[in-house]
Amino acid sequence: NAGVTQTPKFRILKIGQSMTLQCTQDMNHNYMYWYRQDPGMGLKLIYYSVGAGITDKGEVPNGYNVSRSTTEDFPLRLELAAPSQTSVYFCASGYNEQFFGPGTRLTVL
Amino acid sequence: QKEVEQDPGPLSVPEGAIVSLNCTYSNSAFQYFMWYRQYSRKGPELLMYTYSSGNKEDGRFTAQVDKSSKYISLFIRDSQPSDSATYLCAMTRPGVSGKLSFGAGTTVTVRA
Repeated sequence: NAGVTQTPKFRILKIGQSMTLQCTQDMNHNYMYWYRQDPGMGLKLIYYSVGAGITDKGEVPNGYNVSRSTTEDFPLRLELAAPSQTSVYFCASGYNEQFFGPGTRLTVL
Repeated sequence: QKEVEQDPGPLSVPEGAIVSLNCTYSNSAFQYFMWYRQYSRKGPELLMYTYSSGNKEDGRFTAQVDKSSKYISLFIRDSQPSDSATYLCAMTRPGVSGKLSFGAGTTVTVRA
């Protein structure tokens, strides 16, 4: 039982490039979430999903897109990367009790 | 005003001391309260989960919720160097698809 896994662990992007952050959970949770964490700012919700095929915006969705074709996977897409997207990204699954992945550390230069 | 306020610290205590962490919140609809522990360069790990007011104890950890004052606390007894981490409070309410509101986190260092 791996819980929530995320790939890649680290990535450096140039301004304007695109990438997909992968997230997979094996707990059969319907609810999944993407957060970003900036120093001293806590966790901000980017997008969330209540089940396969259903997604919705969180607090800071601009510059990101998501899809949810299966219960297990919830990828986050960055289009036209900007320096403001330099952050640590966490995927989580669960309902009131959320379980987090190890994170992806992204730098946009 | 932020929905959830947490003293950012940092907090430095000697080994064996009691660590006290607090959060206040403004939304009286919050009913579910959590504490997460986050080690450096790792993901948050759920430490304590409580529903409504009262106390919950788990080993050296005690979580308190006072809904009348909109105030939650986490106490760590007999603190150990392995407790050195950032502690995040989080809370949610019914009807929002489990979306959590987080505090900014308090960094704790336990000195051996």
